[in-house]
Amino acid sequence: AQTVTQSQPEMSVQEAETVTLSCTYDTSESDYYLFWYKQPPSRQMILVIRQEAYKQQNATENRFSVNFQKAAKSFSLKISDSQLGDAAMYFCAYRSARGKLVFGQGTRLTINP
Amino acid sequence: DTAVSQTPKYLVTQMGNDKSIKCEQNLGHDTMYWYKQDSKKFLKIMFSYNNKELIINETVPNRFSPKSPDKAHLNLHINSLELGDSAVYFCASSQAGEIEEQFFGPGTRLTVL
Repeated sequence: AQTVTQSQPEMSVQEAETVTLSCTYDTSESDYYLFWYKQPPSRQMILVIRQEAYKQQNATENRFSVNFQKAAKSFSLKISDSQLGDAAMYFCAYRSARGKLVFGQGTRLTINP
Repeated sequence: DTAVSQTPKYLVTQMGNDKSIKCEQNLGHDTMYWYKQDSKKFLKIMFSYNNKELIINETVPNRFSPKSPDKAHLNLHINSLELGDSAVYFCASSQAGEIEEQFFGPGTRLTVL
């Protein structure tokens, strides 16, 4: 069974600085997808970024980028120029071949003004 | 326009009662899911339906019964509610394709007293 581990329960960063959230996963599949979801206090799950495992190029979405290391089974999220609105729980997720998402434990990100 | 909607958003009930949570998506997706988020924010899949057929059924007590009257709806019925059922329940949907991004509903916070 696939597992996803986020080793940082909480992180904080100064506004306008850069922060990296860690995620590792375990799988025997060769083809899969990885996602980062954001959950603000409103509890809505919002997709931040996604990565196809067969693509070597790291995904980027504006201020959000990932460092995908397939051999190491690592999928970290970098947030540049942090903004107050980035404060939220961040979940790393693995999508299995059957379609279900397996989530990490989450990292609570605080932005300090 | 709401993509994935859930009703109700909040549900407070007594132990032993039976309750239902409804989910509807207007995205034309063919697959729908139910996830449970516990008090520690851990998210775990419960069920998945594709074109009204059950395709994922994780280890969930049989007091939980999903029903999909059509591919736009996936309801969750819970019998004999227990204190441990208190959680936030999320419905999600996706369309089979190259990248099956899952779109989440706003969640239903269930409190069992």
